[in-house]
Amino acid sequence: DIQMTQSPSSLSASVGDRVTITCQASQDISNYLNWYHQKPGKAPNLLIYDASNLETGVPSRFSGSGSGTDFTFTISSLQPEDIATYYCQQYDNLPYTFGQGTKLEIK
Amino acid sequence: QVQLVQSGAEVKKPGASVKVSCKTSGYTFTSYGINWVRQAPGQGLEWMGWISTYNGNTNYAQNLQGRVTMTTDTSTGTASMELRSLRSDDTAVYYCARRANLDYWGQGTLVTVSS
Repeated sequence: DIQMTQSPSSLSASVGDRVTITCQASQDISNYLNWYHQKPGKAPNLLIYDASNLETGVPSRFSGSGSGTDFTFTISSLQPEDIATYYCQQYDNLPYTFGQGTKLEIK
Repeated sequence: QVQLVQSGAEVKKPGASVKVSCKTSGYTFTSYGINWVRQAPGQGLEWMGWISTYNGNTNYAQNLQGRVTMTTDTSTGTASMELRSLRSDDTAVYYCARRANLDYWGQGTLVTVSS
């Protein structure tokens, strides 16, 4: 199985800050990587697909980059509504696997 | 609009079985596979398996092999997931989600396993 190592596990930042989360795959997954956020009590929501494509309706302050084994997710200017847990997920090979999650809080 | 609507919460005793359904609408059911993902309380996301809505092919997570069965009913656009021999560590919210990009999710179904 492909292991996804996501960091950090938690992050505290101020409104307006630039926030970065990384995800490393245990083997080359090309660009078959998605990013989600999940708010308490809700289902996850797709933000970025194929490593760098913004899902329809998702604000442009969210972005993703990378390919192969190393990926980055960025919020250019943190907003209060961005408080959530963020996950990466690879879909290059079954079983699909998720990162451990990054809990984002406001300072 | 695309919707995935799941069945309601369940409480089961250890050793019992549970079946969770996921009724889809707003798109052609057989165009995209359905994945099942679960989340234990306070934990991360765990992929459970996938079913092709086109031909019924399945792929299950190794740790659930032999206990899980995923099925579809193309006449109603519904996918289902049955988990047998339930244990306390199967207590979780169970989600269905469309296609490999998991672009649309059901609202989740809480399954509680307790004696």
